[in-house]
Amino acid sequence: LAKTTQPISMDSYEGQEVNITCSHNNIATNDYITWYQQFPSQGPRFIIQGYKTKVTNEVASLFIPADRKSSTLSLPRVSLSDTAVYYCLVGDPYSGGGADGLTFGKGTHLIIQP
Amino acid sequence: DAGVTQSPTHLIKTRGQQVTLRCSPKSGHDTVSWYQQALGQGPQFIFQYYEEEERQRGNFPDRFSGHQFPNYSSELNVNALLLGDSALYLCASSSGGVAEAFFGQGTRLTVV
Repeated sequence: LAKTTQPISMDSYEGQEVNITCSHNNIATNDYITWYQQFPSQGPRFIIQGYKTKVTNEVASLFIPADRKSSTLSLPRVSLSDTAVYYCLVGDPYSGGGADGLTFGKGTHLIIQP
Repeated sequence: DAGVTQSPTHLIKTRGQQVTLRCSPKSGHDTVSWYQQALGQGPQFIFQYYEEEERQRGNFPDRFSGHQFPNYSSELNVNALLLGDSALYLCASSSGGVAEAFFGQGTRLTVV
């Protein structure tokens, strides 16, 4: 499995755009990049997934350069409620017929201040 | 849609005891995965159930076992509890691969 590296923590302020970068130098051809968000004492919540270039949904954008060795999760105009741990996952969601479990690292603890 | 529901929400057990945690998947999902999350760590994959069979397993001892019922709900059993088993146990459901897994709120297990 491709190893991911992301900052342990980040700080920002309400209304700012936050970009969290994840490195995954050994990403494989069939691997996708997926981000999850987790609040204390809750289960992780899927944010976004992409394979290449740019993906956008109502919550975030995901930028993936051509070499796919890194990716950036972009959260527009953050609020206090975006304070959470954000996990970057890399893997083939269909490997083993989808039986392979998700591999979480320690994530990035994002703190939003007023 | 109730999403993924887990019970109980909190549990305190004594070392050596056995525990059963329960999970009902999101409507329409046929695959249930279980994760253990220690304090300050990311979730760790325990195993996955599909069509009532354990399909894949992470690096957990045989003390951890499970079951999936015909209605796709699932149980996680842990025998001979150790202090180190204290954690948040998460259930995730999905359908057709794990591209987007839906997690429950978890069960907080404390072993004393």
